[in-house]
Amino acid sequence: KQEVTQIPAALSVPEGENLVLNCSFTDSAIYNLQWFRQDPGKGLTSLLLIQSSQREQTSGRLNASLDKSSGRSTLYIAASQPGDSATYLCAVRRWSGGGADGLTFGKGTHLIIQP
Amino acid sequence: SQTIHQWPATLVQPVGSPLSLECTVEGTSNPNLYWYRQAAGRGLQLLFYSVGIGQISSEVPQNLSASRPQDRQFILSSKKLLLSDSGFYLCAWSRTGNSPLHFGNGTRLTVT
Repeated sequence: KQEVTQIPAALSVPEGENLVLNCSFTDSAIYNLQWFRQDPGKGLTSLLLIQSSQREQTSGRLNASLDKSSGRSTLYIAASQPGDSATYLCAVRRWSGGGADGLTFGKGTHLIIQP
Repeated sequence: SQTIHQWPATLVQPVGSPLSLECTVEGTSNPNLYWYRQAAGRGLQLLFYSVGIGQISSEVPQNLSASRPQDRQFILSSKKLLLSDSGFYLCAWSRTGNSPLHFGNGTRLTVT
């Protein structure tokens, strides 16, 4: 059974710092990995999706990497801003022969950027 | 562009009462649809997913059921709610099994 772990569970840093959020998964047979952000009481917003054949994806100040063999992904946030404060979730989609299996989620990293 | 709608946003129901949460997607056809539950401290749990009308797969045995009466409509139901059914319920869609998941704003359910 796939398990996804996110470290740290919470992080508070001053504005402007570069930071790294970590995600690890136990079964390397994944289809893709997706990073989300969730604001309090809201749904999830997709940030980046990395296919199993890719090593990284970039969007603006965000960069996500994937090392499938070691079961790890990182989300790098450059020049953090108070608006980046949210919970960040990592999720992996298991390999599926033809179905539409959903994602296995980590419990998230609660990020606070101090002004 | 595609949009996903969930309602209601919040719901308070007594134990033993029925439940019906509705989710609709606009701007796409034949989406994959999902219901997740997010409980405090436990992360998101996949409840049901659907690849087409009338096709429902259940991930965990429980007090809930799902139906897809139309291509872009996904309904989560229960005949008799339990206290343990309280949580934040999220509907999501994706174009294919290999494309990003997009979530609705969720329904906060409190069973009293």
